[in-house]
Amino acid sequence: EVQLVESGGGLVQPGGSLRLSCAASGFTFSRYWIHWVRQAPGKGLVWVSHIDGDGSRTDYADSVKGRFTISRDNAKNTLYLQMNSLRAEDTAVYYCARAGYRGPSFDYWGQGTLVSVSS
Amino acid sequence: QSALTQPASVSGSPGQSITISCTGTSTDVGGYNFVSWYQQHPGKAPKLMIYEVSNRPSGVSNRFSGSKSGNTASLTISGLQAEDEADYYCISYTGSSTPNVFGTGTKVTVL
Repeated sequence: EVQLVESGGGLVQPGGSLRLSCAASGFTFSRYWIHWVRQAPGKGLVWVSHIDGDGSRTDYADSVKGRFTISRDNAKNTLYLQMNSLRAEDTAVYYCARAGYRGPSFDYWGQGTLVSVSS
Repeated sequence: QSALTQPASVSGSPGQSITISCTGTSTDVGGYNFVSWYQQHPGKAPKLMIYEVSNRPSGVSNRFSGSKSGNTASLTISGLQAEDEADYYCISYTGSSTPNVFGTGTKVTVL
């Protein structure tokens, strides 16, 4: 059974840092692009970042570029999102999702982890 | 990269068909056949309903169908059921510095 389990969320002050993790199981992790998607409370989905199977290709939304870094450890079947210089507007539930088909086609999602940025 | 435009809400009676539009530009929806649709119930993770404009993943009801014309993609739900009441989001590949962009989201209400 395919599973994605996020962790690492919590309360952080503006300007602070946090690292999210996404533990994958039930599939060959290294074969898939994995994405981060976030959703602010009561708001819509926003694409954040993605990484290819071997970690050589990464892209980011303009709103997080230069502050967030996506990475993966295929030996540990784990995806990461290092978030620096956090702002109040980064407050959201962060989901990791597997792209099972071409393009932004996320066939499996984690349950999400809440990041709250507040003083 | 601006969000794709969806109607804020769409409603229909049980058994009816409804269509949700997703309007972008020639650099996203109109330029690529990489449009997906997601259903999200309150407090739950999104669920993939349509990928690559018109393909249904295994297990998704054939009451859901997708299409595209020009810069607008559409999701049609036929035979509307109470369980279809949820938020729906489109997303498209853009080929730009922000390679993927979601739509603004549509709340579907079953009357």
